[in-house]
Amino acid sequence: DAGITQSPRHKVTETGTPVTLRCHQTENHRYMYWYRQDPGHGLRLIHYSYGVKDTDKGEVSDGYSVSRSKTEDFLLTLESATSSQTSVYFCAISDGGLYNEQFFGPGTRLTVL
Amino acid sequence: DQQVKQNSPSLSVQEGRISILNCDYTNSMFDYFLWYKKYPAEGPTFLISISSIKDKNEDGRFTVFLNKSAKHLSLHIVPSQPGDSAVYFCAAKNAGGTSYGKLTFGQGTILTVHP
Repeated sequence: DAGITQSPRHKVTETGTPVTLRCHQTENHRYMYWYRQDPGHGLRLIHYSYGVKDTDKGEVSDGYSVSRSKTEDFLLTLESATSSQTSVYFCAISDGGLYNEQFFGPGTRLTVL
Repeated sequence: DQQVKQNSPSLSVQEGRISILNCDYTNSMFDYFLWYKKYPAEGPTFLISISSIKDKNEDGRFTVFLNKSAKHLSLHIVPSQPGDSAVYFCAAKNAGGTSYGKLTFGQGTILTVHP
């Protein structure tokens, strides 16, 4: 299994508070991605990174920011959490091979009250 | 604009029978397709993939078929086993140079295999 960890695994927070989720990889893969999974929507890309300090928006980026200061770490920040951001968040990594097979972390379940 | 669609939210089959999961796409620039399986409380895991230059790819009990003219792909599981019960996502990749390997996922289909 690819070495990907996410922390925390579960978090409950209140509306308006900042939240940071961490993704850590030990595979030295170039590409990292943040997704959210919601019923009826599948996996939707929030932000992605194609190198250290190189990031870009995905399809549902409003209300989220990211940072990647090291190859192994990709942080997702909710500046002011809202109830609509209650979701399961997955980090994924890839070395950009032919099919760009992405390896996923175990997920973080975030509840915003 | 849902570019990858899995129109069946759920599928129930008997153990030993065939499971067929379907996926449609609209973007003609997609030319790599992948299937992922997801168990509860775990991240998705890669299952099988296919390039648009092929129409079939097999890996053990799993076969993916691609009909490019119809923009349709399907995943066949034969024979189905109770351990196959999971959510299945299809995903598509645009091979363009600036795609950065991004995948577009369908909504997922919940497969239940009954003993």
